[in-house]
Formats: sequence, structure tokens, C-alpha cells
Amino acid sequence: GQNIDQPTEMTATEGAIVQINCTYQTSGFNGLFWYQQHAGEAPTFLSYNVLDGLEEKGRFSSFLSRSKGYSYLLLKELQMKDSASYLCAVIAGGFKTIFGAGTRLFVKA
Amino acid sequence: EAGVVQSPRYKIIEKKQPVAFWCNPISGHNTLYWYRQNLGQGPELLIRYENEEAVDDSQLPKDRFSAERLKGVDSTLKIQPAELGDSAVYLCASTTSGANVLTFGAGSRLTVL
Repeated sequence: GQNIDQPTEMTATEGAIVQINCTYQTSGFNGLFWYQQHAGEAPTFLSYNVLDGLEEKGRFSSFLSRSKGYSYLLLKELQMKDSASYLCAVIAGGFKTIFGAGTRLFVKA
Repeated sequence: EAGVVQSPRYKIIEKKQPVAFWCNPISGHNTLYWYRQNLGQGPELLIRYENEEAVDDSQLPKDRFSAERLKGVDSTLKIQPAELGDSAVYLCASTTSGANVLTFGAGSRLTVL
């Protein structure tokens, strides 16, 4: 079966760093995406990992370990506008994109 | 470039009524997905198209849901009859191929009373 696990909620302080973890067990693996979704809006692309290691893009970084079925999204210098849901998505066998339930991040002043 | 266009944005119907959602993907995007997202959950795949062919519809409740993508461009998702549990946001997404980033439409929010 396919399973993607993320924490349900996290809270962090403005200006801090937060790490959102994702573990997955899928039939096949062709890459992992992180999407951001603000309340009432569509998901938007944040990052993509297909090889092991860290991908950095401004305040956002994403890490992948394929042998461990593990990824994390690192958000630095948190801003209030970063309050959103963060979705871990795996491109499984047959190039089907499946999503985790998402992590709701609350950034407080 | 226009994004993924969905309509209607909001729909309220009574149970047992039919409803249809329409999606126009980004031009040139051969792969189209329909997802259902319940409140506080991640998107759940309903069906995936490669051009006009449905390559994965294993999670589509076929007793009441149907979808089509004539000519491999626009797509329609239909529910008939709707049930209370169908209340959700129906998201359409498209991409150039299965391994690439998805671009989502704004979604169609369905409320079944």
C-alpha cells in the first residue's frame, strides 16, 4: 500500500526555524515534492527532490533520504505569511502523485 | 499564460442531485489529475489522465462518479447522485508529464445538504 506520514500541526515563532518531517512507504518512487497550501487556496509548488541530499531555495530547503523513506522541509526566518499547510507528495510507481495529509504550521509573533 | 481553470468555484446542492465540475488545464499539459480534498486533509487522487486516456481511476467511486477528457484537453468530473459525504473541494491539476510539478486550479467547493 501507499502511506505518507506527516505531523498534523506545528507551531513556531516568527524569525525562528522549523523542520517538517515526512516519511513514506510507496510502491515505487520517482521523486518527492513539497507544496504549500494557504487556507482556502490551491496547493503551490515549493520544492522537489529526486536524489538524496539537500535542495536549498531561499528560506526553504528540502532534504531526501531514499533509503530511509524520509524527507524534511526546513523553513528559516519564519514570517507570519508562512502560516499554511505543507503537503508532502510522492511520485509513486506509474508516476502517480500521492499526497500526505499535510502539516498545518502556525507562526506566532 | 493562463493557469488551470476550474468551474464552478462553489456549488451547493441537495443530496441525490447531480453535479458536474469542469477543468481546463494549462495548454500543452498532457497529464491531468482530479483530486478530492476534505477539510484538514491532503488531496486524494480520484483519476489521472494521460491525454484522453484514463491511466489510473482505481480510487474513483465508479458507482456514482464519472469523468471524461474528450480530445485530451478539457475534463469534466460528474457525481450522480451526490451524497452528504461528497462535500469537499475538488481540485484539478495538470502537468507536462507524470514526474513534473503539478499546477492546481483554484478548486470547486461542493456542499451537499
